[in-house]
Amino acid sequence: NAGVTQTPKFQVLKTGQSMTLQCAQDMNHNSMYWYRQDPGMGLRLIYYSASEGTTDKGEVPNGYNVSRLNKREFSLRLESAAPSQTSVYFCASSIASGRATYFGPGTRLTVL
Amino acid sequence: AQKITQTQPGMFVQEKEAVTLDCTYDTSDPSYGLFWYKQPSSGEMIFLIYQGSYDQQNATEGRYSLNFQKARKSANLVISASQLGDSAMYFCAMRLTGRRALTFGSGTRLQVQP
Repeated sequence: NAGVTQTPKFQVLKTGQSMTLQCAQDMNHNSMYWYRQDPGMGLRLIYYSASEGTTDKGEVPNGYNVSRLNKREFSLRLESAAPSQTSVYFCASSIASGRATYFGPGTRLTVL
Repeated sequence: AQKITQTQPGMFVQEKEAVTLDCTYDTSDPSYGLFWYKQPSSGEMIFLIYQGSYDQQNATEGRYSLNFQKARKSANLVISASQLGDSAMYFCAMRLTGRRALTFGSGTRLQVQP
């Protein structure tokens, strides 16, 4: 049981480049999330998806787009990366009324 | 809007002693859940313990217990018999019932000394 998986684990981009972070879960969860973690801060919600085909903005959505491809997969896209997007990105999932949210291992992104 | 406050940026504890990590929260909703996560230096987020706002008893999971004081809006994590492997960042988080996303505090770095 892999839980929540993310690719890549590390990425370095130049300002203006684009990339997509991939996330998949095998727990049959309805809800999926993208968070970012900056130094000295807790995680902040970028986007979430309550179910397949739906997405909603979180606390810090600017500069990002998401796609809920199917129940298992939820991707995060940076169309034109900026140094302010240097962060660690976590994908997570939960059942709709579940007590626990499960996190992937994170992607460390650096934008030069 | 909900808010989580962790006022202890760093804590030290001797191995085998107990330690309490503070968490206060702010919400006007009556129904919510409180969570604690551990983040070791490897970076992953590990779920530790959950407390529902209507739960009558404090949650416990092995060496972890949650000291829930609803009137004071606090949800402190107590780790008993600290181990060197407990050294990590600890995050308190809240989720309102009916909403799925978590709101996190800024975390407390715990260092367990031999």
